Amino acid sequence: AQKVTQAQTEISVVEKEDVTLDCVYETRDTTYYLFWYKQPPSGELVFLIRRNSFDEQNEISGRYSWNFQKSTSSFNFTITASQVVDSAVYFCALSEAYSTGTASKLTFGTGTRLQVTL
Amino acid sequence: DTEVTQTPKHLVMGMTNKKSLKCEQHMGHRAMYWYKQKAKKPPELMFVYSYEKLSINESVPSRFSPECPNSSLLNLHLHALQPEDSALYLCASSPRGSSPSNSGNTIYFGEGSWLTVV
Repeated sequence: AQKVTQAQTEISVVEKEDVTLDCVYETRDTTYYLFWYKQPPSGELVFLIRRNSFDEQNEISGRYSWNFQKSTSSFNFTITASQVVDSAVYFCALSEAYSTGTASKLTFGTGTRLQVTL
Repeated sequence: DTEVTQTPKHLVMGMTNKKSLKCEQHMGHRAMYWYKQKAKKPPELMFVYSYEKLSINESVPSRFSPECPNSSLLNLHLHALQPEDSALYLCASSPRGSSPSNSGNTIYFGEGSWLTVV
């Protein structure tokens, strides 16, 4: 069975600090996909990144960066110079395949609530 | 930017009411989903439609009835709900994949409908 663990329930930082959100996953599949989503208080789940299991290159997008390490089954997310607008719940997720149709199934972690204060 | 739109944004209904949640996407996606999210929990999958056909029902009670009138629309009909059904209901869609398993398709979520059952 697939599993995603986000051990950090809540993190509080002061604006401009760097913060890393941890994600550890378990799967028996050799091909899999990992995702990060952001959920602000409004409720929408905003897609941030997708990474497949064959691509271990780290990725940077503005103040966001992701570190994928298959050796430790981790896919960590770093926000550099955090801002108040980064306050949200962040979910890491692992995708598995359904045998039919075009659908995907996401296994979510429990989420990390990030609070950025002035 | 997400192009999954959900209505209504907020809904309050009595336990004897019949109401519907609506979802629309114009991205040409062929898989659509309903998720339920309780406070401080990750989203839980309810239903999956693939090519307008129900392909996955995660043992959801019959008081929730999904409908997919066409490839762009997804409804969730609600009847005789219980107070514990109060939650955020998220609609989502994903594109047709190129791989046989489609496990890597990104799922895009709407803003959700906040449901309160009184």
